Amino acid sequence: QVQLVQSGAEVKKPGASVRVSCKASGYTFPSRDINWVRQAPGQGLEWMGWINPQSGNTGYARKFQGRVSLTTNASISTVFMELRSLTSEDTAIYFCARSYCNPDSCYTDWFDPWGQGTLVTVSS
Amino acid sequence: EIVLTQSPATLSVSPGERATLSCRASQSISIYLAWYQQKPGRAPRLLIYDASNRATGVPARFSGSGSGTDFTLSISSLEPEDFAVYYCQQRTTWLTFGGGTKVEIK
Repeated sequence: QVQLVQSGAEVKKPGASVRVSCKASGYTFPSRDINWVRQAPGQGLEWMGWINPQSGNTGYARKFQGRVSLTTNASISTVFMELRSLTSEDTAIYFCARSYCNPDSCYTDWFDPWGQGTLVTVSS
Repeated sequence: EIVLTQSPATLSVSPGERATLSCRASQSISIYLAWYQQKPGRAPRLLIYDASNRATGVPARFSGSGSGTDFTLSISSLEPEDFAVYYCQQRTTWLTFGGGTKVEIK
């Protein structure tokens, strides 16, 4: 079945960068967009951006432009999210999520399945 | 940015009862709304997309309705596994989520 497995928890100091990976399996990897969504402790969901692994095209939420980069390594079916210039406000669980597909069609901007999440803690 | 406002913030319901959750958009988003369920410590799960279509494997007790700015998620008869937080999401202008509604046991 389709599965997204993310890398483990990270602890970073303010000003540092973090890189989280998302490995896909169970489908033809380059064919579907991967999105990133984060969730601060006890808070709601916040969309960060998307990448099309086939073309390498990306799109970022205005809030994160210039500070986030999404890349892909097709040989290992993995997408990477790098977030730079971290502050305590970036402490959150980061999720990757694939475009939802049913037997009839795929929908770029609806998300399912999701990875298990990666906790990034920013603390001095 | 399109703002999605969910209400109520918390809904207390007894098992077997009906739950009705609301999501209001700050401007028209046609039918481009989805609903997700999130349980503690877990990733969200897609329930409804394009306002009223159930995702694969979602039980028929979940239904979505609405268009324009006002949307509703209904759960016809709550099962124990339905107590969770529910988020709406739009895709008309970039992507944004609502603040969530927690459905708790009464």
